[in-house]
Amino acid sequence: TQLLEQSPQFLSIQEGENLTVYCNSSSVFSSLQWYRQEPGEGPVLLVTVVTGGEVKKLKRLTFQFGDARKDSSLHITAAQPGDTGLYLCAGLITGGSNYKLTFGKGTLLTVNP
Amino acid sequence: GAGVSQTPSNKVTEKGKYVELRCDPISGHTALYWYRQSLGQGPEFLIYFQGTGAADDSGLPNDRFFAVRPEGSVSTLKIQRTERGDSAVYLCASSLAAGNLGGYTFGSGTRLTVV
Repeated sequence: TQLLEQSPQFLSIQEGENLTVYCNSSSVFSSLQWYRQEPGEGPVLLVTVVTGGEVKKLKRLTFQFGDARKDSSLHITAAQPGDTGLYLCAGLITGGSNYKLTFGKGTLLTVNP
Repeated sequence: GAGVSQTPSNKVTEKGKYVELRCDPISGHTALYWYRQSLGQGPEFLIYFQGTGAADDSGLPNDRFFAVRPEGSVSTLKIQRTERGDSAVYLCASSLAAGNLGGYTFGSGTRLTVV
């Protein structure tokens, strides 16, 4: 069973379109992170959200953390070919001194010029 | 160094052989993590270190996998009697401390192919 479910798994859109990627779980997270990964590289952190209901903006990217801290979304406005990549959400569950960041399977985004 | 360095970047080995994968974290980062990523999947947690000790090794698939970080800096992931199913990209990441909200910095990974 996947702790974090991401949807859609694949997304192919035209330049200029808007899109939303979802990350859902039945577990409560102390924080949730979004990463972007390009072929042959490791994931690169985009944002960390901590507070339920929190919204963060990074240029054309808007991240939202659900009120119950179980889900998150990433919205991209006016997508560009440079946005192409694998978008990963990762949740941190803390227990005692244990910190384990668990990733979803990712959403592979292709933005066509 | 400026980033997390992983060597080798690619490794091809025969089934049954032993391999070592090295990770050099960002200087001063006390927490170090190993993940494995198969094609089309997100990274899968293997083990993390806080300093020299393995704080959580629950993700290691079996006793053929072992990791060390003897001086609290460089870490080595060791795989004995490799199997074709071990083929994947092995990612290393580091952070200032475990659970750091600034996120993890990942290396580019070692692509392991077992033939």
